[in-house]
Amino acid sequence: EAAVTQSPRNKVAVTGGKVTLSCNQTNNHNNMYWYRQDTGHGLRLIHYSYGAGSTEKGDIPDGYKASRPSQENFSLILELATPSQTSVYFCASGDKGSGNTLYFGEGSRLIVV
Amino acid sequence: EQQVQQSPASLVLQEGENAELQCSFSIFTNQVQWFYQRPGGRLVSLLYNPSGTKQSGRLTSTTVIKERRSSLHISSSQITDSGTYLCAMEQSYYGGSGNKLIFGTGTLLSVKP
Repeated sequence: EAAVTQSPRNKVAVTGGKVTLSCNQTNNHNNMYWYRQDTGHGLRLIHYSYGAGSTEKGDIPDGYKASRPSQENFSLILELATPSQTSVYFCASGDKGSGNTLYFGEGSRLIVV
Repeated sequence: EQQVQQSPASLVLQEGENAELQCSFSIFTNQVQWFYQRPGGRLVSLLYNPSGTKQSGRLTSTTVIKERRSSLHISSSQITDSGTYLCAMEQSYYGGSGNKLIFGTGTLLSVKP
């Protein structure tokens, strides 16, 4: 079973503060993704990566940065957190070798006050 | 504009009844996946169905790519089937060996005893 772990699972941040959400996968997948999930919007893609050292903008990248220092790790960085970034964030990994499916982490709930 | 539309938004069933969930796409895709999510939980891939009909246990997915739609049939529903069912269409991206998924907002299924 593919394993994707996220940390922290819950976070309260202050407006203007920096937040880093971390994701680790032990599946040796090339592709990793960060989504946010909000009521009424479903899951929306923020950033993705197709290998160590690469990051690409997804559909809603504004206000977020990403970092992929290794095959296993993919971070989402909010340099200046805003209340509109309050959401549940999901990391996922996958590639063609995994049958094209994605394996998701358990989510990180972020509240920005 | 929501590229992936799901219906119904919510559905309440008595245990043992069947469910039919619908998904349609505003643009062409060549891959469709269905996911399941418990409240507050991670997404789990149910079926990967690029075309035609695929079955997994009590789940049957039918995808008609040229009509840009897919359906998920759940037979003999159980209380443990309660949760959100999400449809996702795949878009290939340049330079990578994988895909990115665009999700619908989901169908919330509640199965009552």
